[in-house]
Amino acid sequence: KQEVTQIPAALSVPEGENLVLNCSFTDSAIYNLQWFRQDPGKGLTSLLLIQSSQREQTSGRLNASLDKSSGRSTLYIAASQPGDSATYLCAVSFDSNYQLIWGAGTKLIIKP
Amino acid sequence: DVKVTQSSRYLVKRTGEKVFLECVQDMDHENMFWYRQDPGLGLRLIYFSYDVKMKEKGDIPEGYSVSREKKERFSLILESASTNQTSMYLCASSRYGAGVGPSTDTQYFGPGTRLTVL
Repeated sequence: KQEVTQIPAALSVPEGENLVLNCSFTDSAIYNLQWFRQDPGKGLTSLLLIQSSQREQTSGRLNASLDKSSGRSTLYIAASQPGDSATYLCAVSFDSNYQLIWGAGTKLIIKP
Repeated sequence: DVKVTQSSRYLVKRTGEKVFLECVQDMDHENMFWYRQDPGLGLRLIYFSYDVKMKEKGDIPEGYSVSREKKERFSLILESASTNQTSMYLCASSRYGAGVGPSTDTQYFGPGTRLTVL
């Protein structure tokens, strides 16, 4: 069964720290992997999309990496700010099934 | 900017009622999706549609039906609401149509409808 796991479920760090969120998946035959952000009471916003042929994608203070062989992706957030507080979700599109498989998310709190 | 809107932010219904959740996107996207989101479980796909009048079951279609009569509108129907359908419902759309695969492109989400069934 194809699964996506995000650990930890919650993370609290002081403002200004660099941090890493983790996403692991059970099948290396992926089509792409996406990171989303969800603010309380709101829908999801796409942050980064990494195709299977890519190793990383960057957008501002965010950098997402992909290692298919180990079944892992990381989302690196530099110089964290209180406005980064949100739930971050990872979603994987596997080759055998074009539907997105979602992790349960990591709830991030940045303390001022 | 892509805009996906959902008919209600909060909805309270009684067991056995028929419930309609509506979603509208304004970017001429081919694909539309309905998910439900429950704590600790992540998003689970209920149904998706890759064209007008076309629909495909997702992982948890039981107890739900959908309708897509116009390209921009995708409706989720709970034929007889039950308490285990209390959840956050999220609608999404993406650009590419059938043959390319529904998950090859970024999905754009609406704000969600929090449904409570009493």
